[in-house]
Amino acid sequence: RKEVEQDPGPFNVPEGATVAFNCTYSNSASQSFFWYRQDCRKEPKLLMSVYSSGNEDGRFTAQLNRASQYISLLIRDSKLSDSATYLCVVPVAGGTSYGKLTFGQGTILTVHP
Amino acid sequence: NAGVMQNPRHLVRRRGQEARLRCSPMKGHSHVYWYRQLPEEGLKFMVYLQKENIIDESGMPKERFSAEFPKEGPSILRIQQVVRGDSAAYFCASSPRGQGYTGELFFGEGSRLTVL
Repeated sequence: RKEVEQDPGPFNVPEGATVAFNCTYSNSASQSFFWYRQDCRKEPKLLMSVYSSGNEDGRFTAQLNRASQYISLLIRDSKLSDSATYLCVVPVAGGTSYGKLTFGQGTILTVHP
Repeated sequence: NAGVMQNPRHLVRRRGQEARLRCSPMKGHSHVYWYRQLPEEGLKFMVYLQKENIIDESGMPKERFSAEFPKEGPSILRIQQVVRGDSAAYFCASSPRGQGYTGELFFGEGSRLTVL
């Protein structure tokens, strides 16, 4: 299994739709997980951190299933401005606890009018 | 702007030349990370530095690549004798702490290297 694996998409959804992205990870010892957002030719920016079973922030909900080593990101009421690549991010296997992260390849989302 | 500053934003080099990429971390941050993003691929960790120390360079190619973070001045990622496969976006990130830190990394806008 890859360290972090995502469905690359692309996902094309209309405004107002609900869309969910999935991510699996291989390091069963991971304690923290992140979703970053990357706009075209821009830097990644943190969207959400997940330390327990899940996290919710407005229209965004992240859920963690440790038994299945699976993280999801749900976006409700999609906006045009949500169009971006969503990166699933997990600390590198091996017990490091600094900013050494494994990034998934990213899931491309396009929200259309 | 107190964010992570990288320069140059775009750099074009011919095969065999040297590329130097600079990164100033966010104010108050003394931990710097370099990541590389090849076309159509995810970001890959290259190196983690603190002032005057390389902490983890496990992601650096064995040859031609080096990094430093001197006591004064920005962190520098140096690529000698560039080849076309070095064409990528190089992102620098910083954090307020190192060991034990599991929070957000703050990324610069990246330096895009094109090797002709």
